[in-house]
Amino acid sequence: ETGVTQTPRHLVMGMTNKKSLKCEQHLGHNAMYWYKQSAKKPLELMFVYNFKEQTENNSVPSRFSPECPNSSHLFLHLHTLQPEDSALYLCASSPQVAPTDTQYFGPGTRLTVL
Amino acid sequence: GQNIDQPTEMTATEGAIVQINCTYQTSGFNGLFWYQQHAGEAPTFLSYNVLDGLEEKGRFSSFLSRSKGYSYLLLKELQMKDSASYLCAVMDSNYQLIWGAGTKLIIKP
Repeated sequence: ETGVTQTPRHLVMGMTNKKSLKCEQHLGHNAMYWYKQSAKKPLELMFVYNFKEQTENNSVPSRFSPECPNSSHLFLHLHTLQPEDSALYLCASSPQVAPTDTQYFGPGTRLTVL
Repeated sequence: GQNIDQPTEMTATEGAIVQINCTYQTSGFNGLFWYQQHAGEAPTFLSYNVLDGLEEKGRFSSFLSRSKGYSYLLLKELQMKDSASYLCAVMDSNYQLIWGAGTKLIIKP
């Protein structure tokens, strides 16, 4: 148990659906991250929030929309996804966005787009 | 471009020692991390190196050479529970983690 929870753990959706992924951290951290993990590929950083402000958007398609209402919660809103978006979506948090700050990961949401 | 290379898969025997290598080319360097990820689970932090040399933590040690862009993770007295993927990541000048694809370690009895 890392102190970072994600729901749902598994999600199957059609290309026309709208769904949301939720992440919550109980570590008192101020930075939160969304990553995409595809089989045999490096983790891809999608979004970074530091003190509730989005500081990074790594050329992510607009069909992924993040929301960070407070430092403890992070959402990823999904709409009109493509089959190639099927992957494990990991949330992480760290004290801040700083060199020595370790990132703590949630267990991920396994997303399948049909 | 930024690049992290590590072997795709390694096999070792229970009780033995294994070394997992990682080489990197990044824009800036603010430290190198190793994470362990069991199948279907979250990556968990193992070690952080920012200065050259060896950091030892129980059965696990991590080494860094910044001039060579090279690190390794050394696992001693291997146990079956060490079967997992090991991820190498470098923090670049923008404080973003650049990740390798991971090394799947298989431990055999």
